[in-house]
Amino acid sequence: AQKVTQAQTEISVVEKEDVTLDCVYETRDTTYYLFWYKQPPSGELVFLIRRNSFDEQNEISGRYSWNFQKSTSSFNFTITASQVVDSAVYFCALSEAVGSARQLTFGSGTQLTVLP
Amino acid sequence: DTGVSQNPRHKITKRGQNVTFRCDPISEHNRLYWYRQTLGQGPEFLTYFQNEAQLEKSRLLSDRFSAERPKGSFSTLEIQRTEQGDSAMYLCASSEILGEQYFGPGTRLTVT
Repeated sequence: AQKVTQAQTEISVVEKEDVTLDCVYETRDTTYYLFWYKQPPSGELVFLIRRNSFDEQNEISGRYSWNFQKSTSSFNFTITASQVVDSAVYFCALSEAVGSARQLTFGSGTQLTVLP
Repeated sequence: DTGVSQNPRHKITKRGQNVTFRCDPISEHNRLYWYRQTLGQGPEFLTYFQNEAQLEKSRLLSDRFSAERPKGSFSTLEIQRTEQGDSAMYLCASSEILGEQYFGPGTRLTVT
């Protein structure tokens, strides 16, 4: 069975601080995908990134960066120089890569509040 | 590209009534997924379609729930004899066969 754990329920930072959201996963699959989604107050889940389990290279996209470490089953997400508009619930998710279903298993989310 | 749309956005119903939600996926997407999200939790998978075929259903999808995707376009999710425990946000997502899932705004169901 697949499981995603986001131990941080809520994080509050002041604007321009850096913040890291933790994600730990469990799976018996040898190949899988990891995702991050953002859910702003409007409620619509916004896709941020997908990583293949074969690709452990860290990725940077603007103020966002992701640190994938297979050895510790972690896929952490860092926002640099946070902004008030970054306030949202962030979900880490996992899906199989070989089977046909590809349904997402989500963590319980981390509520990020960026204060001005 | 208009994105995934869902209707209605909000639904309030009395316990025991039937409700139906609609999802219109991104037009070129073959796959359509339904998820349920309760307060403070991440979405949980309910079922998915590839074109018009319903290929997998979660054990969360009780006999009171049924989903269809006629002609492989829009999809409907019906809940019969609603219970208070059905109160949740129902999310629809679509994707190409090997692509990322893009979510709609959801339908918030409140059962009184």
